[in-house]
Amino acid sequence: AQSVTQLGSHVSVSEGALVLLRCNYSSSVPPYLFWYVQYPNQGLQLLLKYTTGATLVKGINGFEAEFKKSETSFHLTKPSAHMSDAAEYFCAVTGLAGGTSYGKLTFGQGTILTVHP
Amino acid sequence: SAVISQKPSRDICQRGTSLTIQCQVDSQVTMMFWYRQQPGQSLTLIATANQGSEATYESGFVIDKFPISRPNLTFSTLTVSNMSPEDSSIYLCSGTSVNTEAFFGQGTRLTVV
Repeated sequence: AQSVTQLGSHVSVSEGALVLLRCNYSSSVPPYLFWYVQYPNQGLQLLLKYTTGATLVKGINGFEAEFKKSETSFHLTKPSAHMSDAAEYFCAVTGLAGGTSYGKLTFGQGTILTVHP
Repeated sequence: SAVISQKPSRDICQRGTSLTIQCQVDSQVTMMFWYRQQPGQSLTLIATANQGSEATYESGFVIDKFPISRPNLTFSTLTVSNMSPEDSSIYLCSGTSVNTEAFFGQGTRLTVV
């Protein structure tokens, strides 16, 4: 079984400031980890994913995340926030390695990011 | 990447009625899934839509309430039956193929009055 905990349901930053969204996971098998973003009244868009290999993964829109097995974490960061980053962000995990299992995801509670001018 | 067209995008329904949501993918996908996102909450997997056979439901979801069809590799429907206000949610479908991450439809925002 898997679970995901996102620390902080709301995060507020100033434009240009560092964005840090926290995600911790639990999985009985090697995890595949994802960050999705949801803009108002839209579906989910994949930001980035970790499967195997390099633990620091880069995604779209300047976001990146680092897989830390010892800390069971997969925090999302962006050096400089932009107004257009305001959205809800979801961390997700699948515990089945590869194949067709990517779609069966367990999601965290979501973090709403607000960016102030 | 593939695109899912989901409709309707939103609806307001009377309690006791049923609503069928459709998802059409612009290419064949191996697996399709249906999720529910209740107000202020995260996404919860309802079921895996299996092509040509009965869907596989997660704990807490039953076929009588959420019948699902998947007649081919590009199309699936979810019906929300005998609706009550507690069914007011966003419903999303997703698709995936071998070694590709999940992509999602735009969602259906359902309000039951």
